[in-house]
Amino acid sequence: DSGVTQTPKHLITATGQRVTLRCSPRSGDLSVYWYQQSLDQGLQFLIQYYNGEERAKGNILERFSAQQFPDLHSELNLSSLELGDSALYFCASSVLSSGNTIYFGEGSWLTVV
Amino acid sequence: DQQVKQNSPSLSVQEGRISILNCDYTNSMFDYFLWYKKYPAEGPTFLISISSIKDKNEDGRFTVFLNKSAKHLSLHIVPSQPGDSAVYFCAASYTGTASKLTFGTGTRLQVTL
Repeated sequence: DSGVTQTPKHLITATGQRVTLRCSPRSGDLSVYWYQQSLDQGLQFLIQYYNGEERAKGNILERFSAQQFPDLHSELNLSSLELGDSALYFCASSVLSSGNTIYFGEGSWLTVV
Repeated sequence: DQQVKQNSPSLSVQEGRISILNCDYTNSMFDYFLWYKKYPAEGPTFLISISSIKDKNEDGRFTVFLNKSAKHLSLHIVPSQPGDSAVYFCAASYTGTASKLTFGTGTRLQVTL
C-alpha cells in the first residue's frame, strides 16, 4: 500500500460525458501528479500540482483539467469523453516538487463506451 | 521525442539467474533515476533509485548501475524469482524548477521455473 488513494477504481461511462477522478496523496506529500496509461502504452505524464499550484504540464488534452485543493487532495476532470480516453489513470504523490521518488496509487480504470 | 528508452519490450529469465534490464536516456539534464515495477491492473511500485552523483546503488537483490557518459542505466536482479515477473519501468527526472518523472515504455520480465 503506497498510501495514495484513488477513487473510483473502475468507471464506465458513455461518450460525451464528463467524469471526475479523485486522489488523496500520502500524508505529508505536497506534490500530486496525474499519469495516463492506455493499452500497450507507457505512462504518459499529464499534469503536476505542488501545494495547490500547477507546477508542470504534460500531454494533457484541453478537455481535461485538474486541481489541487487546500487539503492537498486532487481531482482530474475529463469532459466530452471519447472512446480513446479509455485508459488507466494514475495519481502519484511526493514530498518535493522535483527530483524525488513519487509513489503511485492503484489507478482508476476508465472505460468509455 | 522519447527521452527515456527501454529498447527491450520483453525479457525471459530462468529462476535463480540474473535479470538485467536496460534503459537509455537522451536528456543530459536528468540527475535522478528510478525503477518501478508494475503488475497488471496495479499502480507502479517504487523499487530503487540512483542519483547522478553515484554509479551504483544496491538494495537486496536489486542493483542499479548508472553510466553517465553513455547515458545508460541498468537494473540487475539477482537471483531472479517468479514473483519478479512484472513490467519494469525506468524513469528519470532533474531537479529543475518544474520537473516530473519521464518514464520509459517498460520491459516485461518473465521469470520461468
